[in-house]
Amino acid sequence: AQSVSQHNHHVILSEAASLELGCNYSYGGTVNLFWYVQYPGQHLQLLLKYFSGDPLVKGIKGFEAEFIKSKFSFNLRKPSVQWSDTAEYFCAVSGGSQGNLIFGKGTKLSVKP
Amino acid sequence: EPEVTQTPSHQVTQMGQEVILRCVPISNHLYFYWYRQILGQKVEFLVSFYNNEISEKSEIFDDQFSVERPDGSNFTLKIRSTKLEDSAMYFCASSVLGTHTEAFFGQGTRLTVV
Repeated sequence: AQSVSQHNHHVILSEAASLELGCNYSYGGTVNLFWYVQYPGQHLQLLLKYFSGDPLVKGIKGFEAEFIKSKFSFNLRKPSVQWSDTAEYFCAVSGGSQGNLIFGKGTKLSVKP
Repeated sequence: EPEVTQTPSHQVTQMGQEVILRCVPISNHLYFYWYRQILGQKVEFLVSFYNNEISEKSEIFDDQFSVERPDGSNFTLKIRSTKLEDSAMYFCASSVLGTHTEAFFGQGTRLTVV
C-alpha cells in the first residue's frame, strides 16, 4: 500500500539554523512528490514538487528538496530558517495516472526569534 | 490570484444530521478533490472527481458520503448521517490536470459533530 512517513513530529529551531525534514515513501511505481506548507490559520500551499528530471528541486522561499530514488526519500531542506517559516510541513506523493495525494502526518516547525 | 474557496469555515451539527460542505474550485481546473484531517492525524484522501463523475475514492468514502457538481462552479461533499468520528477538517482541492500538476487547496471547513 502507498504510504508516506515523516520522521519528525515537531522540530524547534532558532533563526538562522539549518533545516532538514525527512520524508520517506512507499509506492510501487513512478511517483510525483510534493511538499506542502500550512501556515497558522491558512490553507495548504505548495512549496515544491518533483515529477521528473533533476532530483534536486528548488521551491519557494528558499526551500529545496532532493529525491533519492534508492532511499525512497524526498527530504526538505533550507539552509537558514526564519521566524516566518513557523508552520506545519506535509510531504505527499501521487502516482501513476491518479492525481490524488497521499500525505504524511506532517511536521510542525517552530522557529524561535 | 485565483483560489479555492470553501464554505462554511466551521459547521457544528448533531449526530445523525446531514451536512453539505461547499467548495468553489478554481475556474479553469478540471479535477476536484476532497480530503479530510482528523485532529492530530494525517490529511487523508476521500475522493476525486472529473468530468462529472467520481474518478477515484478511498475506503473512507463509503455510502454515507456523496459528491456533486450541481452547477458550473460549486463542488459539494454531502455526509448523509453524520457520526461523531466524522468530526474533522475537510479540505477541497482542485487541479488543472489529474496528475503532474499542482493541487490548490481551500482553507478547509471544520466539521464538529456533537
